[in-house]
Amino acid sequence: NAGVTQTPKFRVLKTGQSMTLLCAQDMNHEYMYWYRQDPGMGLRLIHYSVGEGTTAKGEVPDGYNVSRLKKQNFLLGLESAAPSQTSVYFCASTPTGRDQPQHFGDGTRLSIL
Amino acid sequence: AQSVTQPDIHITVSEGASLELRCNYSYGATPYLFWYVQSPGQGLQLLLKYFSGDTLVQGIKGFEAEFKRSQSSFNLRKPSVHWSDAAEYFCAVNSGYSTLTFGKGTMLLVSP
Repeated sequence: NAGVTQTPKFRVLKTGQSMTLLCAQDMNHEYMYWYRQDPGMGLRLIHYSVGEGTTAKGEVPDGYNVSRLKKQNFLLGLESAAPSQTSVYFCASTPTGRDQPQHFGDGTRLSIL
Repeated sequence: AQSVTQPDIHITVSEGASLELRCNYSYGATPYLFWYVQSPGQGLQLLLKYFSGDTLVQGIKGFEAEFKRSQSSFNLRKPSVHWSDAAEYFCAVNSGYSTLTFGKGTMLLVSP
């Protein structure tokens, strides 16, 4: 059981380049999330989805777009990367309900030069 | 708006000593509270959760946490720390639609 899988694990981009981070979960979870983690800032929610075909903004959505075309996948896109988007990105998923814990992937380390 | 405060950025504990990590939350309704642990280069792993019932909850790896509504706190404890417990610990509150608001984390260092 793979759980939550993020690809790629590492990436270096130049300012202005675009890329897509992929998150896949095999637990049939309804809700999926993208976070960024920066030193001393904890995890901050970028976007999330409460089901296939739905997306919503989180705390820090600017500069990112997302899509949830299939229930098991949640894509995070950077259209024009900026150095301020250098971070570690985590994907998570959960069934439904407030009492359900989130299951996290191992993260994607993204550096933008 | 909901918020979570972890007052200690770093804590150093001797191996075998007891541990308490502090967490205070601000949330208008009944909180759903979680503690996660993150080892270097890894994702977050759930230690324990509270959403109702007994205010003292047991988790994995010998951790426990106590919910105190009057103090808006959900402190994490362990009676005897092991070197393998060195990691970063995050407290979180459920904000609705199962979105979590995280504290900024406490880094635990374990000295021999």
